[in-house]
Amino acid sequence: EDKVVQSPLSLVVHEGDTVTLNCSYEVTNFRSLLWYKQEKKAPTFLFMLTSSGIEKKSGRLSSILDKKELFSILNITATQTGDSAIYLCAYSSYRSNTGKLIFGQGTTLQVKP
Amino acid sequence: DTGVSQNPRHKITKRGQNVTFRCDPISEHNRLYWYRQTLGQGPEFLTYFQNEAQLEKSRLLSDRFSAERPKGSFSTLEIQRTEQGDSAMYLCASSAGGDPRPLHFGNGTRLTVT
Repeated sequence: EDKVVQSPLSLVVHEGDTVTLNCSYEVTNFRSLLWYKQEKKAPTFLFMLTSSGIEKKSGRLSSILDKKELFSILNITATQTGDSAIYLCAYSSYRSNTGKLIFGQGTTLQVKP
Repeated sequence: DTGVSQNPRHKITKRGQNVTFRCDPISEHNRLYWYRQTLGQGPEFLTYFQNEAQLEKSRLLSDRFSAERPKGSFSTLEIQRTEQGDSAMYLCASSAGGDPRPLHFGNGTRLTVT
């Protein structure tokens, strides 16, 4: 059965620290992997990765996909209190032509001042 | 792009009552999804519409749940005879055609069944 597992489930750091969040997957006919940030409301889109080894970057956030080892990481450098959120990893598969995403459990990040 | 809009934001209901939620997707998006999220979990897929056609339903969607998308625009999700286990955040998302595409989520409707 397809699955996606995130680790750690929760993390507490101090401002200025660098964090690495992990997402491993076992997916038949893998299509894409996405990262979302969820504060109190809607998950907001961060990155979509389809090709192995190509880093996506936006400001202090970056992400990369390893299709051989079946994982992705999300890095946040120089963390700020505003980075406190749940970070969700999700995949899509060619098995479904609906484009639906299947989500992991999420990593709860707390950044302390 | 006004974003995905969901109403109401919060709903408190007594067990056994029926509730209906509404989702207005981004106007040019033909794909619409409903998800459910409980505390400490990621969103779980419930159902998918392409235009007005409901093309996929999760086995999580019991026969007390029904969703519609008349005319391929807004969508409604109805839960009949609510149970305490239905308490959750119900999220709606939309995307444009062509794959792969990120989903754009609304702020959700938080349902509490007492």
